[in-house]
This record gives sequence, structure tokens and C-alpha cells, in this order.
Amino acid sequence: SQQGEEDPQALSIQEGENATMNCSYKTSINNLQWYRQNSGRGLVHLILIRSNEREKHSGRLRVTLDTSKKSSSLLITASRAADTASYFCATDATHRGTSGSRLTFGEGTQLTVNP
Amino acid sequence: DTAVSQTPKYLVTQMGNDKSIKCEQNLGHDTMYWYKQDSKKFLKIMFSYNNKELIINETVPNRFSPKSPDKAHLNLHINSLELGDSAVYFCASNQMWGDEQYFGPGTRLTVT
Repeated sequence: SQQGEEDPQALSIQEGENATMNCSYKTSINNLQWYRQNSGRGLVHLILIRSNEREKHSGRLRVTLDTSKKSSSLLITASRAADTASYFCATDATHRGTSGSRLTFGEGTQLTVNP
Repeated sequence: DTAVSQTPKYLVTQMGNDKSIKCEQNLGHDTMYWYKQDSKKFLKIMFSYNNKELIINETVPNRFSPKSPDKAHLNLHINSLELGDSAVYFCASNQMWGDEQYFGPGTRLTVT
């Protein structure tokens, strides 16, 4: 199985509802990142949470990180049809001082927000 | 004002051919990456260059050869294309360790 496994694989909700996606990983990490991918497009970075942080907010997004359980969750509040996309978590386990980062991606959650 | 750009966007070619994909970033970042996304949307890192130096080389067939002429460009050349190479290839960049990565729009490669 992959570092960064997400559930659910697919989530369908109504506009205005909240969407929660979960990510689990296996090794110790430096940070965990969430990305969004609209159909046929590239990935857009949403939020980065470092291993010494427990929660982070950005607009309607809330990310939590539990390093003891090796899990993270992404909450999108008051969802909109435009939030329809695939959401990926990615873990960075490279050591400080290393040039660049090796991101390991989860399999993604396909979120559909119905108007 | 595109941050990370890739060309071409679509590439359809026959088995056995050689093709190249180009990537450029105007963000001033030191590190660039190539990822492969398969038909199930699974993304896997292939290569990473820092300031023109190869620093990550995952288990990728020798038919794939990245080249970085300068730190703003990272190209991917693929020899003897196979059906299994069909995928979307993404270029990305970031400034330093631990930063978020900026992705290009992707190149959809179809090998027939």
C-alpha cells in the first residue's frame, strides 16, 4: 500500500455541506501537504502543515495532523460546486538539509459538490 | 505570467518513437521535479534536479532521461516509447526543502 492513503475514495455532497477527507501515512514526516486537482488540470497547492503543528486554517479549509496516529484530515466548510475536484495528500519525509523534497502522494479523494 | 509551463500539452505518438517534454518555471526556484500520473490518478515522483544537479532518481527505466540546461528548465526525453508510458507527466518546482511545490498543467502522453 502507498504512503498517504486517503479515504473516502469518492465523496458526493450537496452545496453548503461540509466535506471531510482523511489521509493516513506510514513513516515519520517533516510535513504533509494537501493539493487539489481539477479535471484535466495540474495540481494546486492548498495547505502545508508541519510535523510540529496540529491544526491549520486557510479560508474555508481546515487541516489537522495527528503524528501519533500518522493521519491527517482536510475539512472544507460550506462547500461550493466549484470545490468539485480530486484532493490529494502528500507527505514529505526528506531530511532537513536535503536539496528538494520527495513528495509521496496518496491515491486521492474525488469530491463532487452538487448544486 | 505562467509560473510553471510545460510543452506540449498533448502528445500522441507510436510505440518505439522518441519524444521530449519541456518544462520551464519563472519562479526563480532552485529545484524542479518530474512526476508521472497514471490512469488511476496515482502520482509518483520520477526525478528531481536542484540547480541543474540530479538529486532524486526513482526507479525509472533508462529510457527516461531528464536534462536541466539551467535551473529554470527541466526537460524529459523518452526513448523507445512503450504503451505503458501513456500517462500524464507533471513538472513541478519549489524553492527549498520543506516548501510547497508548484505544478505545471501537465502533458498527456498517449502511446499507440
